[in-house]
Amino acid sequence: GAGVSQSPSNKVTEKGKDVELRCDPISGHTALYWYRQSLGQGLEFLIYFQGNSAPDKSGLPSDRFSAERTGGSVSTLTIQRTQQEDSAVYLCASSFPGQGYSNQPQHFGDGTRLSIL
Amino acid sequence: LAKTTQPISMDSYEGQEVNITCSHNNIATNDYITWYQQFPSQGPRFIIQGYKTKVTNEVASLFIPADRKSSTLSLPRVSLSDTAVYYCLVGVSHDMRFGAGTRLTVKP
Repeated sequence: GAGVSQSPSNKVTEKGKDVELRCDPISGHTALYWYRQSLGQGLEFLIYFQGNSAPDKSGLPSDRFSAERTGGSVSTLTIQRTQQEDSAVYLCASSFPGQGYSNQPQHFGDGTRLSIL
Repeated sequence: LAKTTQPISMDSYEGQEVNITCSHNNIATNDYITWYQQFPSQGPRFIIQGYKTKVTNEVASLFIPADRKSSTLSLPRVSLSDTAVYYCLVGVSHDMRFGAGTRLTVKP
């Protein structure tokens, strides 16, 4: 079946421009996550959606970053007035929701490689 | 959120068994232990998850002692294609966080 799809796979833009990154989760997965990964580093949590609401936005690094999710499916991560330090791979993951204290594995896309010139 | 500590890197040779240990001293009662594998230019991939004792699947085994303050991912008979970064996560659902991971290099 189809996995998590992210687009574009690569994005090069000039400093100060706005960018939108898209994530199509696996059908039926109500939980959706965005992460950022700088070269050679681990994954940095950005935001978590359950359905269309985002109960945990604690990882968004500044107010230039925002994300939304519509129809409980597609999500977009928007970075306004991009800076060179925003250059990284942005990864999206989705999962079924945990039931009580259970834990559902996250399924990842291959990310969008963002380069700010 | 439970913090995890794992080695930054490990080397092994083809055909050997590899054990990667993760420390999580402040694990909470309801926390699960989950391991992911990441190849270059790809997103992480779920390997195995456990709560206590031992879990085994077709890819790996996960050993968890009674106090649950550590866990060991065991990869039997590694091949060159097992070269990757391995992440240990502790928590429940969206409360889990990725650390720096262990970079495993398998040599011929």
